[in-house]
Amino acid sequence: DIVMTQTPLSLSVALGQSASISCRSGQSLVHSDGRTYFNWLHQRPGQPPRLLIYEISNRFSGVPDRFSGSGAGADFTLKISRVEAEDVGTYYCMQTKQYPHAFGQGTKLEIK
Amino acid sequence: EVQLLESGGGSIQPGGSLRLSCSVSGFIFSNHWMHWVRQAPGEGPVSLAEISPDGTRTVYADSVKGRLIISRDNAKNTLFLQMASLGVEDTAVYYCARGTVDWKGTDYWGQGTLVTVTS
Repeated sequence: DIVMTQTPLSLSVALGQSASISCRSGQSLVHSDGRTYFNWLHQRPGQPPRLLIYEISNRFSGVPDRFSGSGAGADFTLKISRVEAEDVGTYYCMQTKQYPHAFGQGTKLEIK
Repeated sequence: EVQLLESGGGSIQPGGSLRLSCSVSGFIFSNHWMHWVRQAPGEGPVSLAEISPDGTRTVYADSVKGRLIISRDNAKNTLFLQMASLGVEDTAVYYCARGTVDWKGTDYWGQGTLVTVTS
């Protein structure tokens, strides 16, 4: 199984500032079809996870452009520009290259 | 609007069985792979099982293989998860999630149903 490792595990950011979360997978997430199946999800307390970014850098429907993803192979980054109060919660990276899909440990974002 | 609604959770004694359901609307159910994912209290999500659009192919995480059965009824737009020999370690919120069509992944998740295994 593929192991996903996130850093940091917690983050405290002032409103309007930027935040960055890293994720490393135990192997390349480049599929035989040439695409990289790496995603970011956001979960607010008491809510289900919600897809933010798929295939490294594609924002899902309704996701603000403050969220951006980058990376390649096995190393990826989520950047949140101009953090807002609604961004609090836990961010998970997730690989969907092969089953079982695997998630990172999560990064808890709070407002400073 | 895509909607997924899980049901069937509750409190159950160790060794018991439970069947979860996920009723969907707002999309053509029979076009999508479907997934079950669970999240224990304070922990991250864990993938459990997936099923092909026509229900003929299923894949399970090794940790639950033999105890869980994923199935679907495309005529009723419903996904199921039959769970057996439940232990306290199975206590979690269970989510169903829709598989994507254009890329490999999941896009929409239900609100989840809580399963508590306790004596």
